[in-house]
Amino acid sequence: DIQMTQSPSTLSASVGDRVTITCRASQYISIWLAWYQQKAGKAPKLLIYKASSLESGVPSRFSGSGSGTEFTLTISSLQPDDIATYYCQQYNMYPWTFGQGSKVEIK
Amino acid sequence: EVQLVESGGGLVKPGESRRLSCEASGFTFSDDWMSWVRQAPGKGLEWVGRIKNTPEGGTTEYAAPVKGRFTISRDDSKNTVYLQMDGLKTEDTAVYYCTRGVGTFYNWGQGTLVSVSS
Repeated sequence: DIQMTQSPSTLSASVGDRVTITCRASQYISIWLAWYQQKAGKAPKLLIYKASSLESGVPSRFSGSGSGTEFTLTISSLQPDDIATYYCQQYNMYPWTFGQGSKVEIK
Repeated sequence: EVQLVESGGGLVKPGESRRLSCEASGFTFSDDWMSWVRQAPGKGLEWVGRIKNTPEGGTTEYAAPVKGRFTISRDDSKNTVYLQMDGLKTEDTAVYYCTRGVGTFYNWGQGTLVSVSS
């Protein structure tokens, strides 16, 4: 199975800060990576697919980059509404697998 | 508007069976692949399995922990996908989400909680 490792597991930042979350795949996955946002008690929501494509309706402060085995999710200016846990997910190979999650808090 | 509504969760004993349903609306259900993803209490997301659309054969793929115990099926006439769970274990306790998409999960239901306990 392809292991997805996210860092950091938790991060605390101030409103307006630039925030970056990294996701590393244990094997080459090309660009077959998605990012999801999950707020407390809610279902996850798709933010980014194919590593860097922004899902319709998602604010432009979110962006994704990378290919191969290393990927990043960037929030250009952190907003209070961005408090959530973020997950990466590979769909290059079965079983489709998720990272362990990165929790974003406001400092 | 795409809507996915799961039902069928509840408390079950180890070894028992349960069938979850997910009724879809707002898109052409028969065209889409559907998956189930679960989340144990306080834990991360785990893909359970998927079913292709009927034109592509409606075939299924499962994660190792559920293979041989869980079965995904679909009824395009009812816009519904099912998750039949047999031989439930305590470690199957989770919120089960129905999702839509080919690898990327574009839409999610609200989830239904399955608790496996004696």
